[in-house]
Amino acid sequence: GQNIDQPTEMTATEGAIVQINCTYQTSGFNGLFWYQQHAGEAPTFLSYNVLDGLEEKGRFSSFLSRSKGYSYLLLKELQMKDSASYLCASMDSNYQLIWGAGTKLIIKP
Amino acid sequence: SQTIHQWPATLVQPVGSPLSLECTVEGTSNPNLYWYRQAAGRGLQLLFYSVGIGQISSEVPQNLSASRPQDRQFILSSKKLLLSDSGFYLCAWSAGTRHTGELFFGEGSRLTVL
Repeated sequence: GQNIDQPTEMTATEGAIVQINCTYQTSGFNGLFWYQQHAGEAPTFLSYNVLDGLEEKGRFSSFLSRSKGYSYLLLKELQMKDSASYLCASMDSNYQLIWGAGTKLIIKP
Repeated sequence: SQTIHQWPATLVQPVGSPLSLECTVEGTSNPNLYWYRQAAGRGLQLLFYSVGIGQISSEVPQNLSASRPQDRQFILSSKKLLLSDSGFYLCAWSAGTRHTGELFFGEGSRLTVL
């Protein structure tokens, strides 16, 4: 079966660094995606990895290891506005996204 | 620039009543269109997607249906709602020229069935 696992909730301190992990098992693989979703709002695209390694985009970075079926999202210099859910999704061989349940990130001052 | 809108934002419906959620995209042509449902504590569930007018693929058999009467219009319907239809419904689009997981979502419609 297809499965995406990520922690349900994490807490971090403003100004710190947090790493949100995601493991995936999908039928085929065409990329790993991260989305941010603030409470009551729609998800917005953050990053895309299809090759192994780290992709950096400002304060956010995303890493992929295809051999391990593993990805993480790294958030640096945390701000209160980063409090949100972070959704991991893997694109399968049919180019459909398989979504994780999301990790709720709580930022404390 | 491209924009996507869906409505209504919130609705409360009795069991057995009909449903119609509408989504429109502006600023692009021939988009791929999607309807997702998000239940608390669960991942986004793909309900329908469309690659063109009149072309609808259903991912989950249920009492919902979708239609695409125009290139940039996508409608989610039900003739008789069930309690289990409650949830947060999201319309999304992606560029139709290639396979991409970069989706652009509408504001969402929160449906409560009583």
